Amino acid sequence: EIVLTQSPGTLSLSPGERATLSCRASRSVSTTYLAWYQQRPGQSPRLLIYGTSARATGIPDRFSGSGSGTDFTLTISRLEPEDFAVYYCQQYGTTPITFGQGTRLGLK
Amino acid sequence: EVQLLESGGDLAQPGGSLRLSCTASGFTFDSYGMTWVRQAPGKGLEWVSAIGGNGDSTWYADSVQGRFSISRDNSKSTLYLQMNSLRDDDTAVYFCAKSAVREIVIYSFDSWGQGTLVTVSS
Repeated sequence: EIVLTQSPGTLSLSPGERATLSCRASRSVSTTYLAWYQQRPGQSPRLLIYGTSARATGIPDRFSGSGSGTDFTLTISRLEPEDFAVYYCQQYGTTPITFGQGTRLGLK
Repeated sequence: EVQLLESGGDLAQPGGSLRLSCTASGFTFDSYGMTWVRQAPGKGLEWVSAIGGNGDSTWYADSVQGRFSISRDNSKSTLYLQMNSLRDDDTAVYFCAKSAVREIVIYSFDSWGQGTLVTVSS
């Protein structure tokens, strides 16, 4: 099983700032098989990024993904109020599909 | 518009059974793999089980293997999860999710239902 470790656990920022979220895998993941999701309180997860860097339909371009091998990053260039949520990375290259434990992006 | 609507969540006793359903609309159901993902209260996401478009291929997390069974009825555009021998740690919101790519089951998920709560407690 590939374990995904996200850091930091909590990130406190202000609107307009840049957010950088990290996801580290216990072994190499193909860039084709790494995704990021956003989950707002009381809502279902929403796909943001797939294939490491491709934005899902309707996702604004302030969200970007990068990385390779075991280290992946989600960047939000300028935070909007609606971006404060929990973010999960996911690998789907091997079963079991695994998710990181999440990074909570909170308002400073 | 893709819509996924789960139902069947309830309070169950340890050792009991429940069947969850997920009714889909807005896409060609039998062309897409479907997955169940759960989220324990206040916790992260856990992949549970997946099924191919024609129902012939299934996958399970080790934590539910032998206790849960995934199936689908394409004539009704409905996904199921039969949950037997329930344990306290099965308590979670259960989401159904649609594969983002036609014909590929193990993939990212571009649509999710709102979830249904399963509580296992005596």
